[in-house]
Amino acid sequence: DQQVKQNSPSLSVQEGRISILNCDYTNSMFDYFLWYKKYPAEGPTFLISISSIKDKNEDGRFTVFLNKSAKHLSLHIVPSQPGDSAVYFCAATRSGGGADGLTFGKGTHLIIQP
Amino acid sequence: NAGVMQNPRHLVRRRGQEARLRCSPMKGHSHVYWYRQLPEEGLKFMVYLQKENIIDESGMPKERFSAEFPKEGPSILRIQQVVRGDSAAYFCASSPWRQGADQPQHFGDGTRLSIL
Repeated sequence: DQQVKQNSPSLSVQEGRISILNCDYTNSMFDYFLWYKKYPAEGPTFLISISSIKDKNEDGRFTVFLNKSAKHLSLHIVPSQPGDSAVYFCAATRSGGGADGLTFGKGTHLIIQP
Repeated sequence: NAGVMQNPRHLVRRRGQEARLRCSPMKGHSHVYWYRQLPEEGLKFMVYLQKENIIDESGMPKERFSAEFPKEGPSILRIQQVVRGDSAAYFCASSPWRQGADQPQHFGDGTRLSIL
C-alpha cells in the first residue's frame, strides 16, 4: 500500500518553460511534506518543504502547493533549466510525533530539453 | 549533500558474510535515519536513532538487520548473513532534532551494497 504516490515516472519539459511535478498521498495523518532532488550516484538533496498549515511555499524558482482536501501536492519549477534534470521525490511525515521516518514516492524523472 | 558522511560508498559481499555501513551525521545533528532504496523504487524508511537510543525501528527487517548510534563515533547499520535480496543503496540522513516543520532531513550519498 503506497501512501505517497507519484504517478508520472518521467516528465519532459522544454528549457525555460514551467515544470510541474505531482504527488498524491493517502495518509491523512501526514502534516509535513518535502521535495527532494536526486542525481545518479548521489543522495537526495532537500529542495523545499511545506507544513499542512500552509497551502503554498516559495523559494526562488521552486514553489510547492498543497491541497489538503484533495491530498495532493505539486512542485512548480519556473523557469526550468538544464541542471534541473534529475529524479524528484515527494516525501511526507507526521511532524508531531509517532513515526518519524519519511515516506517517499517512487520519484519522477524530470528531463529538461534544450 | 555536504555534511552527512557515509562509508564505504561501495561494498561488495558474498552471501553469508556480514556488511557494516557507517554514517556520520552533520555537525550538530543528533538524530540519524537509515533508508534503503531498491532499483526503480523510492527510499524506504528503516530505522530512526538518537545517541545511544533506537527511537523507531518499524521499517527494519526482523532478522539479520541491526543499527546502533553510540555515544562516540558514527552510526552503524549491520546486516548479518547477507543474501542477494539485500543488494540495494542504503542512505543515511540526519536532522538536528525531532522532525518538525522546519527541520528537513539531510542525506548522505549512500552506500551501494552488492551481494555476489
